[in-house]
Amino acid sequence: EAGVVQSPRYKIIEKKQPVAFWCNPISGHNTLYWYLQNLGQGPELLIRYENEEAVDDSQLPKDRFSAERLKGVDSTLKIQPAELGDSAVYLCASSPGWGTGTGSYEQYFGPGTRLTVT
Amino acid sequence: AQTVTQSQPEMSVQEAETVTLSCTYDTSESDYYLFWYKQPPSRQMILVIRQEAYKQQNATENRFSVNFQKAAKSFSLKISDSQLGDAAMYFCAYASNEKLTFGTGTRLTIIP
Repeated sequence: EAGVVQSPRYKIIEKKQPVAFWCNPISGHNTLYWYLQNLGQGPELLIRYENEEAVDDSQLPKDRFSAERLKGVDSTLKIQPAELGDSAVYLCASSPGWGTGTGSYEQYFGPGTRLTVT
Repeated sequence: AQTVTQSQPEMSVQEAETVTLSCTYDTSESDYYLFWYKQPPSRQMILVIRQEAYKQQNATENRFSVNFQKAAKSFSLKISDSQLGDAAMYFCAYASNEKLTFGTGTRLTIIP
């Protein structure tokens, strides 16, 4: 079974430029998460999707960040315009969905995208 | 709000020895889950072990085991027979109401 796929793995952009990250979750997983991980820190949730609905985006900086999950499968996270402080690793994770059975609360992570803003 | 605290930023252990990583958490919930994730330099977060709060028995996965003390809100990870491949960042995480909260991590170094 394929794991969570993310692209690109690395991205370097100049400040004020736009950037987008793509995530393909594990097949059949209804819940998708985007996390921000700063160096030396644990991941912090940006947004959670249940199918195509964003059910928790309280930590997403909506002035410059946006996300979508069309058709409830793949997801894209966008930053426009990027700032120097956005340099971090962006992780995508998926899970079968809470309450769907044993292990449904476990999250499976992708390799992440390391963003460098210069 | 739930918080997860890992008080050991770095730990080291001799190969084949045993090491224990500490984690405490704060919650008012009675039903929750606890996890240890491993993140090697490749960045892929890998689930090491999980514990359901309603279970009194400590979880075990091969060389990895936990000491879950619910009343003390403590969830430590013990790695037995440490191997070079165990070198990584280890994150303790708490899950409730479909939200996962991570600690700041412990960097584990294995000394050959």
